[in-house]
Amino acid sequence: AQSVTQLGSHVSVSEGALVLLRCNYSSSVPPYLFWYVQYPNQGLQLLLKYTSAATLVKGINGFEAEFKKSETSFHLTKPSAHMSDAAEYFCAVSESAGNQFYFGTGTSLTVIP
Amino acid sequence: GAGVSQSPSNKVTEKGKDVELRCDPISGHTALYWYRQSLGQGLEFLIYFQGNSAPDKSGLPSDRFSAERTGGSVSTLTIQRTQQEDSAVYLCASRERVEGYEQYFGPGTRLTVT
Repeated sequence: AQSVTQLGSHVSVSEGALVLLRCNYSSSVPPYLFWYVQYPNQGLQLLLKYTSAATLVKGINGFEAEFKKSETSFHLTKPSAHMSDAAEYFCAVSESAGNQFYFGTGTSLTVIP
Repeated sequence: GAGVSQSPSNKVTEKGKDVELRCDPISGHTALYWYRQSLGQGLEFLIYFQGNSAPDKSGLPSDRFSAERTGGSVSTLTIQRTQQEDSAVYLCASRERVEGYEQYFGPGTRLTVT
């Protein structure tokens, strides 16, 4: 079965600083990879996805992620954090021929003014 | 267009009572998922429906949990004889197709068992 590891359950950055949220997956086949964001008391919203096209994927709200097969990673970045980015972020993987999604345990992002 | 909706948004019930949680997926989406999210935790997969295929129930934590999907659309998650450890947010998601397509999540139902 797949597994997804998000290093750092809590990350704090200053407003305007770089955001880096880490995600590593285990997969023996090329996967589909997703980042979701969850604001307080809301469901999950898709930020971006990788589906075997360009390895650098741009998403909403200025976020992007790079698929690195050799490192089995799909880290999420944003050049300059905004207060509104404070939320829970989940990385997820789906196998190319599978139905299940496997979610990481999430990273809570705090933005310090 | 309309997204995934869930009802009720909040449910408080007494220990031992049965509850039903409803999910209305996006029209035309063939796949439907249920997850449980406990306070400060990630998503725990419960059950998955795909078209007319038999559901994947591998994530249901006990036989007190069951779900059905009628007419390939609306789904109901039922928890019988609720326990305090069932308190969580129950999230539903739908997916247009399988390969490469993302899930769209509803706002969730917050269940509190007293």
